[in-house]
Amino acid sequence: DAGVIQSPRHEVTEMGQEVTLRCKPISGHNSLFWYRQTMMRGLELLIYFNNNVPIDDSGMPEDRFSAKMPNASFSTLKIQPSEPRDSAVYFCASSLDTIYEQYFGPGTRLTVT
Amino acid sequence: AQTVTQSQPEMSVQEAETVTLSCTYDTSENNYYLFWYKQPPSRQMILVIRQEAYKQQNATENRFSVNFQKAAKSFSLKISDSQLGDTAMYFCAFMRAGANSKLTFGKGITLSVRP
Repeated sequence: DAGVIQSPRHEVTEMGQEVTLRCKPISGHNSLFWYRQTMMRGLELLIYFNNNVPIDDSGMPEDRFSAKMPNASFSTLKIQPSEPRDSAVYFCASSLDTIYEQYFGPGTRLTVT
Repeated sequence: AQTVTQSQPEMSVQEAETVTLSCTYDTSENNYYLFWYKQPPSRQMILVIRQEAYKQQNATENRFSVNFQKAAKSFSLKISDSQLGDTAMYFCAFMRAGANSKLTFGKGITLSVRP
């Protein structure tokens, strides 16, 4: 079975540009999580969805960040406009439900110059 | 709020030997789950092992086992017969039982296995 799929794997962009990260959860999973990992802050939960509905977005750093889950098999995390401090690895994870273990995608390494 | 503490930033072990990674947590919850995740240089986060707080028996997955001490709020990971492929960052994580729960991660520990 395919695991969590994320695209792109690497993204380099200039400050001020819009960035869209994509995630396809494991089929049948109804919970989806977006994380950010940096050396300074470690792993931070940005937002998570259950049955396509955002449950908790308290980790979203500011209004420049937004996330959507239009259907059970696709989610996006958008940063507009991007800033150098957004440089990080962004992970998407999914689980059968929020009470079960999460399975992570390979991550997207974002560099904003 | 829950907190997870991994106080050792890094450890090293000789191949084929045993190593134990420490983790403590703080919570007022009685029902919860604990996890260890592995992040090798490829940066993929891989679930290693899971423990339910209501189970007294320590979880085991092949060479990986845990020592879960609920009263002490301690959850250490033992890796037996260490292999070079075990070189990675290891994260301890907590999740309360119940709907709409989320994982709280520790800072991680870097484990190096020496040939």
